[in-house]
Amino acid sequence: GAGVSQSPRYKVAKRGQDVALRCDPISGHVSLFWYQQALGQGPEFLTYFQNEAQLDKSGLPSDRFFAERPEGSVSTLKIQRTQQEDSAVYLCASSLAHTPTGNTIYFGEGSWLTVV
Amino acid sequence: QQQVKQSPQSLIVQKGGISIINCAYENTAFDYFPWYQQFPGKGPALLIAIRPDVSEKKEGRFTISFNKSAKQFSLHIMDSQPGDSATYFCAARGGSARQLTFGSGTQLTVLP
Repeated sequence: GAGVSQSPRYKVAKRGQDVALRCDPISGHVSLFWYQQALGQGPEFLTYFQNEAQLDKSGLPSDRFFAERPEGSVSTLKIQRTQQEDSAVYLCASSLAHTPTGNTIYFGEGSWLTVV
Repeated sequence: QQQVKQSPQSLIVQKGGISIINCAYENTAFDYFPWYQQFPGKGPALLIAIRPDVSEKKEGRFTISFNKSAKQFSLHIMDSQPGDSATYFCAARGGSARQLTFGSGTQLTVLP
């Protein structure tokens, strides 16, 4: 596709419910990132994939958060037993390569999660 | 640990004026410094970026000034327009995943 596509755009979950957020990166992009953006704040790094390998998950806030990219393209961020503090915009981003020349990171429009 | 500090939090400028946003970083391993523009309900979009071996980069009305010794960089928007009203984030790239570390954002309002 032309850009990074995320779905759903908006999700309201009841506390304790599991949610799954999908990201379709730009075609051919090797690197994929998930970020969390709280209201009025800058995005914060969650996890990184190079193709299907999850190379860094140091930003995941708890073991309730899980991400996968099984075939090296589409990625899913799953949040189990959602809590109110999980309410945020979840941004997916991709870049062409894990090299200085592939530096530009392109963001999707985000999935807005509200936990009630 | 906030590795990239951004100021001001908000900025109001008259049309045609110059908007200046400042950032400071701590980690000398950062090697790429982009600025992103974000409109409400949208994802961040790359505006302009600079590497630390360059002191200034200009693209149209947007200029990044970079001071490696002071570990500071700034965005200058010349001839600011109402359409520039958005939130601006500075960022720095580094780490094993080469992920971006963002500043806290500056909400720019350009008055007509």
